[in-house]
Amino acid sequence: DAKTTQPPSMDCAEGRAANLPCNHSTISGNEYVYWYRQIHSQGPQYIIHGLKNNETNEMASLIITEDRKSSTLILPHATLRDTAVYYCIVRVATSGTYKYIFGTGTRLKVLA
Amino acid sequence: GAVVSQHPSRVICKSGTSVKIECRSLDFQATTMFWYRQFPKQSLMLMATSNEGSKATYEQGVEKDKFLINHASLTLSTLTVTSAHPEDSSFYICSARPRAAGPQHFGDGTRLSIL
Repeated sequence: DAKTTQPPSMDCAEGRAANLPCNHSTISGNEYVYWYRQIHSQGPQYIIHGLKNNETNEMASLIITEDRKSSTLILPHATLRDTAVYYCIVRVATSGTYKYIFGTGTRLKVLA
Repeated sequence: GAVVSQHPSRVICKSGTSVKIECRSLDFQATTMFWYRQFPKQSLMLMATSNEGSKATYEQGVEKDKFLINHASLTLSTLTVTSAHPEDSSFYICSARPRAAGPQHFGDGTRLSIL
């Protein structure tokens, strides 16, 4: 089972910040939070990941709460091309490696 | 960097045909690759973990004789859907992670349609 829960859908006005929440209340101390997005009929695209500190790159910012039970992905100035399904993932350790179990994700629609 | 290439991007074939899908890591070596399946309007479902030089590890409910996985080199894993039927029609996606710790990178997927 996925270790994360996300709202099924969100709308955001073009040019505004899109804040996508994720709950991961069972996360362990050394597990990272990963964010991906999937645009229709393509493979998921990596966005950002973090452990406990806030992270920022050219695509987005990731805010992780102090207790690490939830996080928020921030797209600072959403564009129409950011319309996609966004997945928050905490990987699961198994047989010497780690695997991703995808939840249902958040379908973000950026409105003109 | 960290590019994963999948081929073919689309396959249409008759029921009973076996179909092979390739997943390549173009600029890094991957001892582990992953295969997912995605039905319309649903999330990705992990099918199996492909291990270089050894047997794949299949998720519960995935038939290993139906979905044959071969990971013969550090840059190539193949998924063969044997004797495909219309219910096997789906979007198949692979991913791989560079040997150093970091995120998985995904291919662009293969849309399989069985008539």
